[in-house]
Amino acid sequence: DTEVTQTPKHLVMGMTNKKSLKCEQHMGHRAMYWYKQKAKKPPELMFVYSYEKLSINESVPSRFSPECPNSSLLNLHLHALQPEDSALYLCASSQAPGQGVYSNQPQHFGDGTRLSIL
Amino acid sequence: SQQGEEDPQALSIQEGENATMNCSYKTSINNLQWYRQNSGRGLVHLILIRSNEREKHSGRLRVTLDTSKKSSSLLITASRAADTASYFCATDAGTDSWGKLQFGAGTQVVVTP
Repeated sequence: DTEVTQTPKHLVMGMTNKKSLKCEQHMGHRAMYWYKQKAKKPPELMFVYSYEKLSINESVPSRFSPECPNSSLLNLHLHALQPEDSALYLCASSQAPGQGVYSNQPQHFGDGTRLSIL
Repeated sequence: SQQGEEDPQALSIQEGENATMNCSYKTSINNLQWYRQNSGRGLVHLILIRSNEREKHSGRLRVTLDTSKKSSSLLITASRAADTASYFCATDAGTDSWGKLQFGAGTQVVVTP
């Protein structure tokens, strides 16, 4: 069992639908992340939240809208997605990054939501 | 673009053998991490090594870091079938990379009984 919980595990949606992916952690982490992973590829960073504020947006299309309602929850709202958006979406959390050699902390990942766009 | 590149892309070994995989990166880093991903699962953090460290151990895992060559290696000793997974190195991008990890392409390891 992972300490980061993602729901749903699988999602099939049409290009006109609106849906949300949810992520929850109770480790007291103050940094949370969304990644996109295509088959046989490494994860690609989408968004980083630190202390509930969006700190990094990797030029992600606006059809993906993140939200961090509190320090334990992270949502990813989806609207008007394209077939190429089909992928595994991973959420992760960590201690807040520091400076220098502490600029990145170990990240704890959920098992992801496998998204298919019809 | 990816910061880290891994070698080999795939590795097939028998139980009990050692597995070594390498990661090279392009720009200076603050630290480097290794992760494992089992099929259909999320990533699991294995080891973090900071730029002022040269070697770290964790159980059957040994990680080295050579900042002069911009490379790292992960050694798994006495491998088991349960070690079958994809292994990724992940780096920051040095200065101004706060909170941002970039993953290498990964090494797919298959351990046969």
